[in-house]
Amino acid sequence: GQQVMQIPQYQHVQEGEDFTTYCNSSTTLSNIQWYKQRPGGHPVFLIQLVKSGEVKKQKRLTFQFGEAKKNSSLHITATQTTDVGTYFCAGGIGTNAGKSTFGDGTTLTVKP
Amino acid sequence: DSGVTQTPKHLITATGQRVTLRCSPRSGDLSVYWYQQSLDQGLQFLIHYYNGEERAKGNILERFSAQQFPDLHSELNLSSLELGDSALYFCASSAPVAGGAGANVLTFGAGSRLTVL
Repeated sequence: GQQVMQIPQYQHVQEGEDFTTYCNSSTTLSNIQWYKQRPGGHPVFLIQLVKSGEVKKQKRLTFQFGEAKKNSSLHITATQTTDVGTYFCAGGIGTNAGKSTFGDGTTLTVKP
Repeated sequence: DSGVTQTPKHLITATGQRVTLRCSPRSGDLSVYWYQQSLDQGLQFLIHYYNGEERAKGNILERFSAQQFPDLHSELNLSSLELGDSALYFCASSAPVAGGAGANVLTFGAGSRLTVL
């Protein structure tokens, strides 16, 4: 079945440093979504990418979808303490989110 | 408040027991998804319902079952509980995708934390 690997599992950074998490799929994806889960909270949708090589930005966050549509990355520039949480990617085949596979997440801690 | 309501927030029970978790989707959303998140683990997809019908099934144990009612709320039934069933259970709802290759965007509820002793 489809597998989505996410690395690293944990990342500890000093406030102001950059952070990147990577998502790799065993199969070609139709789309990839990114979610953020704050400690003690629930996952919240950040963004969706559907085009090969697509790059989207949200303030300090940059999301990329690979040319082969098998990998994706989330990069945060100059992390802040508000960035702490677990970032999940979800690789999808088609429109049914039930067919999307979540990665195990990358937990980011930021030291002030 | 995401608009997805889950009850109860916390539940403590014993092995062998049966519990029911409830979810009300956002107004207008026809799809309900159930996920299990064990401690420091990712989100494991359990099952998806659309307008009362089962649409996709993940790694849901035979001891677990779910349904979606005509008013679109959903219930997840967990029976013969084991210690390993202790987890956070999330419900999510989604609106239909307008078109293109995108997947439904999930709006998650706050979750129901189940502790099996």
